[in-house]
Amino acid sequence: NAGVTQTPKFQVLKTGQSMTLQCAQDMNHEYMSWYRQDPGMGLRLIHYSVGAGITDQGEVPNGYNVSRSTTEDFPLRLLSAAPSQTSVYFCASSYTGTSNEQFFGPGTRLTVL
Amino acid sequence: GQQLNQSPQSMFIQEGEDVSMNCTSSSIFNTWLWYKQDPGEGPVLLIALYKAGELTSNGRLTAQFGITRKDSFLNISASIPSDVGIYFCAGAPKTSYDKVIFGPGTSLSVIP
Repeated sequence: NAGVTQTPKFQVLKTGQSMTLQCAQDMNHEYMSWYRQDPGMGLRLIHYSVGAGITDQGEVPNGYNVSRSTTEDFPLRLLSAAPSQTSVYFCASSYTGTSNEQFFGPGTRLTVL
Repeated sequence: GQQLNQSPQSMFIQEGEDVSMNCTSSSIFNTWLWYKQDPGEGPVLLIALYKAGELTSNGRLTAQFGITRKDSFLNISASIPSDVGIYFCAGAPKTSYDKVIFGPGTSLSVIP
């Protein structure tokens, strides 16, 4: 199993550009989520999904969209990038029932100029 | 909103020493989790705790779920260089996916 994979690993955008961060898992996990990590602030939940076709907002959803068309994939879209979105983004997944025990991907480091 | 505090913020120790760190909250949690993050990598789950007073070990790591349900502790015995990284605590008021809250982390450096 590859676990949770994320692409790209690094990305630089200009303000106003759009892009999609990809996340995939091969563990047949129902729960998937996106976090952003900023220095000294831990991990903050952006959006999450409890299964295909179902998504919901986390703590910091503004400026981000998600969709969950399959169990395996959970892409995060930035519609119009802003410098405040410069961060490291992590995707995570977990089983139903032990949904707090999350497996994390390696992260995408995003810089918005 | 709910916040978790971790202490110490950072620590530098000699190889072979024991390490203690803790996590506190003003709210009651039903789940406590400890993760480790290596540089440039995603967090990896070390220990999960689901019952007040619970003491759980994973190799040289031992974590406890505080009796008050507002704190948790992580101990590392006989530290080695590969223990270097950031240790995050996370808590959830119930087994609800969206309510997991992460602390700011404790950065551990081990001097050989």
